[in-house]
Amino acid sequence: ETGVTQTPRHLVMGMTNKKSLKCEQHLGHNAMYWYKQSAKKPLELMFVYNFKEQTENNSVPSRFSPECPNSSHLFLHLHTLQPEDSALYLCASSQVEQPNTGELFFGEGSRLTVL
Amino acid sequence: GQNIDQPTEMTATEGAIVQINCTYQTSGFNGLFWYQQHAGEAPTFLSYNVLDGLEEKGRFSSFLSRSKGYSYLLLKELQMKDSASYLCAVMDSNYQLIWGAGTKLIIKP
Repeated sequence: ETGVTQTPRHLVMGMTNKKSLKCEQHLGHNAMYWYKQSAKKPLELMFVYNFKEQTENNSVPSRFSPECPNSSHLFLHLHTLQPEDSALYLCASSQVEQPNTGELFFGEGSRLTVL
Repeated sequence: GQNIDQPTEMTATEGAIVQINCTYQTSGFNGLFWYQQHAGEAPTFLSYNVLDGLEEKGRFSSFLSRSKGYSYLLLKELQMKDSASYLCAVMDSNYQLIWGAGTKLIIKP
């Protein structure tokens, strides 16, 4: 138990579906992240929220839409995905200080398969 | 461009010692992290090095040489539960984490 909970753990969707991934952190951290993990590839940072404000969007396609209603919850809304979007989506949180050298606490991920 | 290199896969024997290397070329340096990820589980933090030298934490040690752009993770007295992927990540001058693709470590009896 890392203090970061992701649901669902597994998701299969068609290219025309709309679904959402949910992440909740119970650690009192002030930053939350979405990462994409594909087999044998480095983790790809998708979105960062510091103090509920999005600070990073690393050229992620608009079919991925993040939402951070408060510092404990993070969503990733999925719409008209492509098969190449199939991957493990990891949520993480950290306590951001200045400068930021804080470790990340990851959830167990949501395994997404796009048919 | 920024790059982190680590071996894709390594195999070692239970009770032995294994060293997992990581080399990096990044825009600046603000520390290097090692994470462990068991199959189907969350990555978990193992170590953080920002100064040159060896940091020891039980059976695991992490070494850093900033001048060489090089780190290694040393695992001693290997146990079957150490079978996992080990991820190297470097924080660059903008405090962004640059990740390696991970090293899958297989422990054999």
